[in-house]
Amino acid sequence: LAKTTQPISMDSYEGQEVNITCSHNNIATNDYITWYQQFPSQGPRFIIQGYKTKVTNEVASLFIPADRKSSTLSLPRVSLSDTAVYYCLGFNTNAGKSTFGDGTTLTVKP
Amino acid sequence: DAGVIQSPRHEVTEMGQEVTLRCKPISGHNSLFWYRQTMMRGLELLIYFNNNVPIDDSGMPEDRFSAKMPNASFSTLKIQPSEPRDSAVYFCATNRDKISDEYGYTFGSGTRLTVV
Repeated sequence: LAKTTQPISMDSYEGQEVNITCSHNNIATNDYITWYQQFPSQGPRFIIQGYKTKVTNEVASLFIPADRKSSTLSLPRVSLSDTAVYYCLGFNTNAGKSTFGDGTTLTVKP
Repeated sequence: DAGVIQSPRHEVTEMGQEVTLRCKPISGHNSLFWYRQTMMRGLELLIYFNNNVPIDDSGMPEDRFSAKMPNASFSTLKIQPSEPRDSAVYFCATNRDKISDEYGYTFGSGTRLTVV
C-alpha cells in the first residue's frame, strides 16, 4: 500500500481556498488516492477519490499529476466547520484495503 | 439508511474482563473493516472481511483479540482478557465493494473503550 506523507497541520481563514498536498512516492498501479475528513468524536468521512488528473464533487477537488507521486486536496471557501483532520490514503484494489497516515489538522479561523 | 451502527458507544471495564464490540454494517456492503484509533498510533486497521470471510487479520495486535462475522448483518470484535493499553476508540467501517472504493468507506460512530 502507498505510504503517504502530509503536513501535520495547516491554518486558514474563513472564505479562503485551502490546498492540502499529500506525497505518495511509492504509489502502486492499483492504488487509488482517497481523502477522508474526521471531526472530534466521530468516524472519518469520505470526501473524494481519484486515480489521475482532476476529480471534483460538491465538496472538494482532487488534483493528481501524471506521475501520481503526489496529490492535492482543494477545499474552496472554507468555513469554521471545515476545521478537522484530513487524511490522504491509498486504496489498493488488489488488497482491498487502505492504510491511514497521520493526517493534516486544518484549523479555520474567523 | 441508518448507516453503520456500533454498540456500545462507550465501554468502561476492568482489566482482565472480556469485552465485546458490535457492528451492524450497511445493508449491501460486502466489506467490513475494524479500525482502532489512539493518539499515539492513529488509525490502525485491525482486520477486514469480504463477504463475511476474514481476508486480512495482520493488524490484530495479539491473540487476545478476535473478530467474527457470522452473517452479512453483524460483526463482533472481542478482547479477552482486556488490558489498559487496549483503551482506544474502535471503529467499524463498511464498503460496498472490495474492488472499487468509489464511494469510500462508511464509518460508524465508534466505541470508546476504557480499560481500568
